[in-house]
Amino acid sequence: EPEVTQTPSHQVTQMGQEVILRCVPISNHLYFYWYRQILGQKVEFLVSFYNNEISEKSEIFDDQFSVERPDGSNFTLKIRSTKLEDSAMYFCASSEGLVGPNTEAFFGQGTRLTVV
Amino acid sequence: AQSVTQPDIHITVSEGASLELRCNYSYGATPYLFWYVQSPGQGLQLLLKYFSGDTLVQGIKGFEAEFKRSQSSFNLRKPSVHWSDAAEYFCAVVASGGSYIPTFGRGTSLIVHP
Repeated sequence: EPEVTQTPSHQVTQMGQEVILRCVPISNHLYFYWYRQILGQKVEFLVSFYNNEISEKSEIFDDQFSVERPDGSNFTLKIRSTKLEDSAMYFCASSEGLVGPNTEAFFGQGTRLTVV
Repeated sequence: AQSVTQPDIHITVSEGASLELRCNYSYGATPYLFWYVQSPGQGLQLLLKYFSGDTLVQGIKGFEAEFKRSQSSFNLRKPSVHWSDAAEYFCAVVASGGSYIPTFGRGTSLIVHP
């Protein structure tokens, strides 16, 4: 069964460093998403991406964040200068179309980012 | 904007006991509702979903959920829990006619005692 894969599964980085979280969505999917979950809190929407551009983003997704689909298969989330509060589990997801009665979002296993 | 509340952070049950995980949502119209499960080291897997029609929906792994409009709830149930059901469970809502982006609750961690 096709699946969304994320690498790495764990990443530790120093405060102020740049990190890139990588995702390989399901190949025929057109919509891509990033979510994060700070420990003990809700899974929060960060950004959605369609047709090579951001379609929606939350207040969390500020100038420190960027997304890219560099080569038609990978979908990356970059955090320019990490802060301690960026420590969280980051989930990537993809869907064939808009999520609805006939379309679900498929999620990866997550990348746990720890900023020290 | 829509929101989802999962009031229980942890639930502990004995193997073979019944289970109910609570989910309440806030949205003006009838939303699309989902339950996902995350086992350790795995991605979020869709258990079941509700869009319209019969308010009791069946999912995979023996789970079911009931949509109650009057209570704005979509609780997940299983009549007899297995040890392999120990996982994190997430309720999510999509605003039909809105952005079609899932909004999640904080999740409920299910612990199963032998």
